[in-house]
Amino acid sequence: AQSVTQLDSQVPVFEEAPVELRCNYSSSVSVYLFWYVQYPNQGLQLLLKYLSGSTLVKGINGFEAEFNKSQTSFHLRKPSVHISDTAEYFCAVSDYKLSFGAGTTVTVRA
Amino acid sequence: EAQVTQNPRYLITVTGKKLTVTCSQNMNHEYMSWYRQDPGLGLRQIYYSMNVEVTDKGDVPEGYKVSRKEKRNFPLILESPSPNQTSLYFCASSSPSGGNTGELFFGEGSRLTVL
Repeated sequence: AQSVTQLDSQVPVFEEAPVELRCNYSSSVSVYLFWYVQYPNQGLQLLLKYLSGSTLVKGINGFEAEFNKSQTSFHLRKPSVHISDTAEYFCAVSDYKLSFGAGTTVTVRA
Repeated sequence: EAQVTQNPRYLITVTGKKLTVTCSQNMNHEYMSWYRQDPGLGLRQIYYSMNVEVTDKGDVPEGYKVSRKEKRNFPLILESPSPNQTSLYFCASSSPSGGNTGELFFGEGSRLTVL
């Protein structure tokens, strides 16, 4: 069975600064990896996914993530955040079923 | 517009009063699923359905029932709600391969409070 750990529950960041959200997983088999974003009072939407191929994955709204198999990590980054990036971010991992991390709340301040 | 629609969005009820949260999708997806979201716990799967008349338990099925009589609808039933079922509930759907590849489309959520 896999598990997903998001290492930071809250990340405050100033506008135009970079942000990194950390995600580690454990699984005994190959996995698919995802980041979802949840804006206030909305459902989740897919930011990006890694299924195979290049380990650097680009998603919507300027986000990217890098799959590191040896470290079993899939960290999410954005070089310059905007106020509108304030949201909760979920890492998710799938081998035969999908499991979500506990979430990281990003608060962007002017 | 492609969407997953849940109703009601907000509900306050009392212990033991049966309720149903409806979910409908217009994308012709085979796979549908219910999750609950609780602070610090992320999303946990309650039930899922791979197709019409095919449902299975997720990680936290106790106290819930589902049915899948039509492809587009996947209602969540709480026969006798209890306060520990106070939560934010999400319905999600995906195309056939999406069930374990994570390309889920989510509804906007239903916030349930059980007194």
